[in-house]
Amino acid sequence: EDKVVQSPLSLVVHEGDTVTLNCSYEVTNFRSLLWYKQEKKAPTFLFMLTSSGIEKKSGRLSSILDKKELFSILNITATQTGDSAIYLCAAHDEKLTFGTGTRLTIIP
Amino acid sequence: GAGVSQSPRYKVTKRGQDVALRCDPISGHVSLYWYRQALGQGPEFLTYFNYEAQQDKSGLPNDRFSAERPEGSISTLTIQRTEQRDSAMYRCASSLGTGNSYEQYFGPGTRLTVT
Repeated sequence: EDKVVQSPLSLVVHEGDTVTLNCSYEVTNFRSLLWYKQEKKAPTFLFMLTSSGIEKKSGRLSSILDKKELFSILNITATQTGDSAIYLCAAHDEKLTFGTGTRLTIIP
Repeated sequence: GAGVSQSPRYKVTKRGQDVALRCDPISGHVSLYWYRQALGQGPEFLTYFNYEAQQDKSGLPNDRFSAERPEGSISTLTIQRTEQRDSAMYRCASSLGTGNSYEQYFGPGTRLTVT
């Protein structure tokens, strides 16, 4: 059975801190790994990773995939209160298999 | 351009009634997916379509759940004889295709409450 595990489940940090969110996966026909940010509404797309070792970057967010060890990390530097959200990781094999998410709270 | 839209946004129904949830994908998107999201959980796959063909329905919980996309655009997820355990957020997503480079974009969801 396909499985995606995220850690930590919850994280509370102060504004300005750097955070690292973890995602490990076991998927039979793996194609790519996706990260989404979910506030109160629909998940919004952040990154899609298909190749190992190539960092994707968008502003203060970056992510990397390790297909040998079957994990990905999402880094957020200089966190802001607007980064507070649930961060979802999903493994793609046509359908998406999601983890339960990491709830990130940034304290001003 | 317009994103994925879903209707209704909220649906309250009595146990035993049938409900139909609608998804209107992004124009031109080939693939359409249905997910169910319980509180505090990530979305859980239900079924997906390429054009009008249902490719995988392995996530549908039981035979009370069905979906169709007759013209390869709008899709309807139908739940017959609803039960309280069906209460959840039902999300639709669409993508240009199913290959490696096609991310899925999610709609706002329909929150279903079965009383």
